[in-house]
Amino acid sequence: EVQLLESGGGLVQPGGSLRLSCAASGFTFSSYSMTWVRQAPGKGLEWVSAIRRDSSTVYADSVKGRFTISRDNSKNTLYLQMSSLRAEDTAIYYCAKDCGGTWCFDSWGQGTLVTVSS
Amino acid sequence: EIVMTQSPATLSVSPGERATLSCRASQSVTSKLAWYQQKPGQAPRLLIYGASTRATGIPARFSGSGSGTEFTLTISSLQSEDFAVYYCQHYSNWPLTFGGGTKVESK
Repeated sequence: EVQLLESGGGLVQPGGSLRLSCAASGFTFSSYSMTWVRQAPGKGLEWVSAIRRDSSTVYADSVKGRFTISRDNSKNTLYLQMSSLRAEDTAIYYCAKDCGGTWCFDSWGQGTLVTVSS
Repeated sequence: EIVMTQSPATLSVSPGERATLSCRASQSVTSKLAWYQQKPGQAPRLLIYGASTRATGIPARFSGSGSGTEFTLTISSLQSEDFAVYYCQHYSNWPLTFGGGTKVESK
């Protein structure tokens, strides 16, 4: 059974940094692209960043230059390093596994809440 | 950026009735379109990918159709567990974008 478990969320001041982790199990992590999607309170889904199997990366314009996605295949873990955080980054952050060669997402974690506030 | 527009924003349906949800792309995404279901306090769940292929374990009452810029998710006979918010997402190019969602509520 595929499992994705996010951690690292919390309360951070504007301008601060935070690193999210997503521990994966139940599948061959290195064989899949992964992504982060966020959801502001009461709002819809927003794609944030993606990392391919070869560790090449893509970012939404809203986070480019501030967030860094990475993966450690030896630890089956996905990361999102977030810096220069803004109030508008407040959201639940989900990690998700791609469908296998396409950028739909067939497994999701339960999410971790990031709150940016002074 | 491809803008995904879902309609209606809210759909009131009685159990057993048919629900039809629409998703429109601002430019063609061919068949690179997925549908997700999200219930309160839960992560999204993949229902449909490739515009019309049901994901593993998804009941046959869920069906997707369309290509290009116009897509439809149909729930043939709504069950109580189907009341939720539904999102479409394209994966034609970067950035990936989601529609604003359609809330299916009980009439």
